[in-house]
Amino acid sequence: EVQLVESGGGLVEPGGSLRLSCAASEFTFSRYSMHWVRQAPGKGLEWVSYISGSSSYIYYIDSVKGRFTISRDNAKNSVFLQMNSLRAEDTAVYYCARARGATSIDYWGQGTLVTVSS
Amino acid sequence: QSVLTQPPSVSAAPGQKVTIACSGSSPNIGNNYVSWYQQFPGTAPKLLIYDIDKRPSGIPDRFSGSKSGTSATLGITGLQTGDEADYYCGTWDSSLSAYVFGTGTKVTVL
Repeated sequence: EVQLVESGGGLVEPGGSLRLSCAASEFTFSRYSMHWVRQAPGKGLEWVSYISGSSSYIYYIDSVKGRFTISRDNAKNSVFLQMNSLRAEDTAVYYCARARGATSIDYWGQGTLVTVSS
Repeated sequence: QSVLTQPPSVSAAPGQKVTIACSGSSPNIGNNYVSWYQQFPGTAPKLLIYDIDKRPSGIPDRFSGSKSGTSATLGITGLQTGDEADYYCGTWDSSLSAYVFGTGTKVTVL
């Protein structure tokens, strides 16, 4: 069974940084594109970023461009989200998720909570 | 501000049918496949429907999807109390170069 396990969340002050990690297993990681999706408390799903299997294609939602960086290490079956200049509105549960083609997301991690507060 | 619009809530009695509409535009639903996700409180979303009308293994055929123009619809027949959850549509937006989710719909079984 496909497994995605996020880590790295926590409490950080505004302007601070965090690096989220997602460890993938039970599938050929390099063949799949990956997403980060977040959900603020009591709110809906918001897509954050996408990276293709070879890292050739990378996309971000406008609100995080210039602040967040997605990357992956196919040798370690891991995808990362480096988050800098964090704001209160970045507070959310962050999910790592596997892409199924361009229009679907077929597996999700359990999520990791990021809280930006002083 | 989501580019895909859903009704905030729908409800029906057990055994009945509900439909959830997802309204978009040409760069997203109009020219791409649509997926649907089910989310229970405190848990990760789960893929329910992909490529407009396909069900992953293990998803009962009570769940169905369709698309017409720039709108998509999720149908749930034989409604059960265990179907009470939030449902989201999603697809790629070719103009934004971004994945977009619907605003979400809460299904309540009366």
